[in-house]
Amino acid sequence: GQNIDQPTEMTATEGAIVQINCTYQTSGFNGLFWYQQHAGEAPTFLSYNVLDGLEEKGRFSSFLSRSKGYSYLLLKELQMKDSASYLCAVIRGGGYNKLIFGAGTRLAVHP
Amino acid sequence: SQTIHQWPATLVQPVGSPLSLECTVEGTSNPNLYWYRQAAGRGLQLLFYSVGIGQISSEVPQNLSASRPQDRQFILSSKKLLLSDSGFYLCAWSTGTGGNEQFFGPGTRLTVL
Repeated sequence: GQNIDQPTEMTATEGAIVQINCTYQTSGFNGLFWYQQHAGEAPTFLSYNVLDGLEEKGRFSSFLSRSKGYSYLLLKELQMKDSASYLCAVIRGGGYNKLIFGAGTRLAVHP
Repeated sequence: SQTIHQWPATLVQPVGSPLSLECTVEGTSNPNLYWYRQAAGRGLQLLFYSVGIGQISSEVPQNLSASRPQDRQFILSSKKLLLSDSGFYLCAWSTGTGGNEQFFGPGTRLTVL
């Protein structure tokens, strides 16, 4: 079957670092995306990992371990505007970019 | 640059009524197109995807259908809405296959009463 697990909610303090974990079990794997979604808005792209290791992009970094079926999104120097849901999505095999999304992690950043 | 439009932005419909949601993409040719539904507190569920005009693949059985009458137009329809069809409907596009990101439209908030 297809299964992607993320924590439902997390809280953190402005200026701190937070790590959002994602584990997956899917039939086929062609890469993993992280998206940010503010309430009532469309998801926006944050990162893409297809090989093991860490991808860094400014305050955001994403890590992938294919053997463990595990990824995390690391957010540094948190800002209030980072309060949003963070969606982990896996590209299934078979092409055409068919994504399976996790339910998302709702992050609340407090002053 | 590429843009994606969806309309309407919000919709309130009675049970049993028909539905038509439209999505158009500008600035790209032959995109892959996708319809997702996001129920409250849940992840995005892929409903349909299309790799070309007239080509539609359905991911889950339901009372919804999709059509792609033009290269950059994707329509989601229903003949009779159910209460369970309420949700946030998102259209997305991507190019090619593999690890190309999907770009999402602004979404349509559908409430079925």
